[in-house]
Amino acid sequence: QVQLVQSGAEVKKPGASVKVACKTSGYKFTSYSIHWVRQAPGQRPEWMGWFNGGDGDRKYAQNFQGRVAITRDTSASTVYMELSRLRSEDTAVYYCASGVGLRVAYWGQGTLVAVSS
Amino acid sequence: DIQMTQVPSSVSASVGDRVTITCRASQGISDSLAWFQQKPGEAPKSLIYSASSLITGVPSRFSGSGSGTDFTLTISSLQPEDVATYYCQQYKNYPLTFGGGTKVEIK
Repeated sequence: QVQLVQSGAEVKKPGASVKVACKTSGYKFTSYSIHWVRQAPGQRPEWMGWFNGGDGDRKYAQNFQGRVAITRDTSASTVYMELSRLRSEDTAVYYCASGVGLRVAYWGQGTLVAVSS
Repeated sequence: DIQMTQVPSSVSASVGDRVTITCRASQGISDSLAWFQQKPGEAPKSLIYSASSLITGVPSRFSGSGSGTDFTLTISSLQPEDVATYYCQQYKNYPLTFGGGTKVEIK
């Protein structure tokens, strides 16, 4: 079955960067897309960007332009999301989610990123 | 950005009741709408895509309808395990955006 397993919780200081991993299994890695969504405490989910597995294209939300990068290691069936210049407002649970194109069907378990001095 | 508005923000109903949640988009999105269920402390779970197509394995008591700007998620017979917050999401335009959520509780 399809599984998305994310890396563990992180605590970072303001100004630092964080890189979250999403290891996939149970499907053909290059056929599916991976989205990154974050959710601050008590807030609605917020879409950050996606990696189009079909053509390798990436698209980022304007709110994160210049701070976020999504990369893929095909040999490890893993997609990474790196967020730089962290600030306290970036404290949230970060999710990867997979599907066909822009449609999401499967979710990772989430990774808590806490930003605190 | 396309704004997604959900009503109500919370609903309390009895087991076996029919529950309907509405989601409105600030502009037409055709049928590019998904619904997710999120239980406390858990990751979201995909329920519906393309406004009305059920994800494999999702109970048939869940259904979705609508097109354009107005959409609904219906739980035909509320079960205790359906207690959760439900979100709609549009994927017609970038950035993908979510509704504010509807918390469903048992009366």
